[in-house]
This record gives sequence, C-alpha cells and structure tokens, in this order.
Amino acid sequence: AQKVTQAQTEISVVEKEDVTLDCVYETRDTTYYLFWYKQPPSGELVFLIRRNSFDEQNEISGRYSWNFQKSTSSFNFTITASQVVDSAVYFCALSEAYKAAGNKLTFGGGTRVLVKP
Amino acid sequence: DSGVTQTPKHLITATGQRVTLRCSPRSGDLSVYWYQQSLDQGLQFLIQYYNGEERAKGNILERFSAQQFPDLHSELNLSSLELGDSALYFCASSVMDRGGYEQYFGPGTRLTVT
Repeated sequence: AQKVTQAQTEISVVEKEDVTLDCVYETRDTTYYLFWYKQPPSGELVFLIRRNSFDEQNEISGRYSWNFQKSTSSFNFTITASQVVDSAVYFCALSEAYKAAGNKLTFGGGTRVLVKP
Repeated sequence: DSGVTQTPKHLITATGQRVTLRCSPRSGDLSVYWYQQSLDQGLQFLIQYYNGEERAKGNILERFSAQQFPDLHSELNLSSLELGDSALYFCASSVMDRGGYEQYFGPGTRLTVT
C-alpha cells in the first residue's frame, strides 16, 4: 500500500531563512505522481506542484523549488528567503496510476512552517 | 479561489443526527472527491466520483454515503453522527478520473458534533 511520510511536524524559521521540507514515499506502482499542497491558516488546500515518476527533473518556481530523487523515494520542497506569508501547513501527497486507484491522494501528515518576522 | 464551492461552511449538530454536505466542482471538471481532515487521522480520502459513477473508495464509514448528480455537483451524507465525526470535510475536483491529475480543493465544511 502507498504511504507518504513527512517526518518534520513543525519548522520555525526567521524571515529570509531558507527552509526545506522532507517528503518520503512508498509505492509498489512503477508509475505514480507526487504533489505538494499548502494549507494556510485560513484552511483551504492550495495546489503547488505535480511531479510524474518518470520525470526526475527538479523544478523551480520563484522562491519555491522541488527536488525529486527516485533512488531515495524522496520529493523535498525548499522555500528560499522565506516570508511571513509562507507560514502554513504543507502537505506532500501521492497518487498511483493503476486503474482501480482512481486518482485518490494519499497525504503525509503535514509540516507546519512558522516564519517569524 | 479554486473554483470549487462547498456549503455550508460550518455545521454544528448533535450526536445521532444526519447532515448533508454539498459540493460544486470547477467548471469542466468531471471528477469529484471527498476528504476528511481530523487531528488524529490527518487528511484521509473518502470517495471519488467520475461523471456520476463511483470511481474509487477509501476508508469511508458505512454511515457515510455520497453521490454525484447529473449536473456534476456532489453530496456527502453523514448519518448517526458521533463525536469522532467532527472534522473538516473537503471536496476536490479534477478534469479526469485517473492518477496524475491535480485536484483543486474547496474551502471545506467544518462539522462539529456535540
């Protein structure tokens, strides 16, 4: 069965520091998809990125970057020069490609990031 | 704003009661999902519908049921409510039904069972 582990429950940083969120996943499927979502204090879940298992290219979007390493089953997320608005809970999630799975997301436990001014 | 709407935003009810949560997907999305977020269980997948048909099922309790209507909106029915059902219930939608399509989440319905 699939599993996503986010070992860090809470990270506290001072504004402008970089912060890296770890995500480790388990799946028996050879084709799968990884996601990151942000849940700000207002409560909604905001989609940040999707990565396919066959595409190991890292991605950068503004201050956000993602490092996908299939060899270690990890999909880590770095916020560069953090800002107070980055304070939120961040979730890593996995979906599998086999038909019976539909498109269900398996979420990690989340990492709460607190950015202090 | 994700384009997914959920009503009501908050719901307070008593144990043993039944409630219905409603969700309208983003325009053009055919698949709808329901998730439960609680402190002890985290974010858990409940059920997925695609174009009116049940597509995938998670650890949804027998007291819970859902359906997707011809206009693609979905309802989640929770009955014989228990204190442990208190949670934030999210609806999400995506264009297609299979793995890899990003899901866009609604604002959630916060259910409090007293």
